[in-house]
Amino acid sequence: EDQVTQSPEALRLQEGESSSLNCSYTVSGLRGLFWYRQDPGKGPEFLFTLYSAGEEKEKERLKATLTKKESFLHITAPKPEDSATYLCAVQDWGGYQKVTFGTGTKLQVIP
Amino acid sequence: DTEVTQTPKHLVMGMTNKKSLKCEQHMGHRAMYWYKQKAKKPPELMFVYSYEKLSINESVPSRFSPECPNSSLLNLHLHALQPEDSALYLCASSQGTGDRSYEQYFGPGTRLTVT
Repeated sequence: EDQVTQSPEALRLQEGESSSLNCSYTVSGLRGLFWYRQDPGKGPEFLFTLYSAGEEKEKERLKATLTKKESFLHITAPKPEDSATYLCAVQDWGGYQKVTFGTGTKLQVIP
Repeated sequence: DTEVTQTPKHLVMGMTNKKSLKCEQHMGHRAMYWYKQKAKKPPELMFVYSYEKLSINESVPSRFSPECPNSSLLNLHLHALQPEDSALYLCASSQGTGDRSYEQYFGPGTRLTVT
């Protein structure tokens, strides 16, 4: 059974203070790893898909990286509007359309 | 356009009511999903439709009945719900099946309260 563990559970940063969120995963064979952002009471917003170890993707202040056991979401010089819960999810080759979500990291960026 | 729409935004229903949640996407996606999300928890998969056919039912109670009238629409029919069914119900869609993994695009959700 696929497992996804995210850390830390919550993170409080000053505006401009860079940091990283961690997503550790266990799958029989990784088909894809996804990062989502979710604001309170809203649906998750897709950020990135990573397929293989060594892959990196960037979008504005966010950069996602992937190894064989974990993924990092690096946040450079965050702004208050980056405050949200960040969800990591994985899909394995046997999982058809099913993805397994981690419990998320709640990020708060203070002005 | 990566928009998935859901109606209604909020729904309050009694345990004897029958109601339906609606979801629509116009991205040409061939897979559609229903999730249930409780506060401070990740989304929990309920159903998957692939090419308008039910492909995954995660042992969801029969008081939840999904329907996919066409490739753009997904409904969730609700009947005789329990207070513990109160949650945010999310619809999502993805490009479909194949030899790679496709990201899912989520709608804004329907906040359901069962009284």
